[in-house]
Amino acid sequence: EDKVVQSPLSLVVHEGDTVTLNCSYEVTNFRSLLWYKQEKKAPTFLFMLTSSGIEKKSGRLSSILDKKELFSILNITATQTGDSAIYLCAALGNNNDMRFGAGTRLTVKP
Amino acid sequence: EPEVTQTPSHQVTQMGQEVILRCVPISNHLYFYWYRQILGQKVEFLVSFYNNEISEKSEIFDDQFSVERPDGSNFTLKIRSTKLEDSAMYFCASGDVDRVNEAFFGQGTRLTVV
Repeated sequence: EDKVVQSPLSLVVHEGDTVTLNCSYEVTNFRSLLWYKQEKKAPTFLFMLTSSGIEKKSGRLSSILDKKELFSILNITATQTGDSAIYLCAALGNNNDMRFGAGTRLTVKP
Repeated sequence: EPEVTQTPSHQVTQMGQEVILRCVPISNHLYFYWYRQILGQKVEFLVSFYNNEISEKSEIFDDQFSVERPDGSNFTLKIRSTKLEDSAMYFCASGDVDRVNEAFFGQGTRLTVV
């Protein structure tokens, strides 16, 4: 059965800390791994990872995929209160069906 | 900036009634999706749609559900004979040919079945 598992489920840090969010997956016909940030309602796209070992970076956020070990990490450096959100990881199959993990709820305190 | 638009933002319906959730995808997008998120739970894939037909559907998407693109702009999700457990936030998403994997989500319709 396809599954996507994120850890930790919840994380509380202080501004300036660095966090690492984990996502492991077992998905038939895996094609890509996507990260989303969900604040109030709809998830917003962060990264799509298709190749192993190639880091994608956007400001203080970065992510990398390991297709051998079937996991991805999302790093956020110098966290700010605006980073507080649920971070969702999703595995994309060949037919464009995305399977989401349960998410990691990140709280950044001032 | 183009965005996916969903209406209504909140719908309350009685158990057993039919509901239609509406979505206007980004205009040049060709791939369309519905997801749902039961309160406090994870986002679940329902169905993907391309070239006027369903390309993939999950085990959740049973005969109670149907999707349609009745004209060039709208993409609808119909839920027949709603049940209490259908209460959830329903998200529509769309993607274009070049960036099909970067699905852009609408703000969602909160469906409450009473």
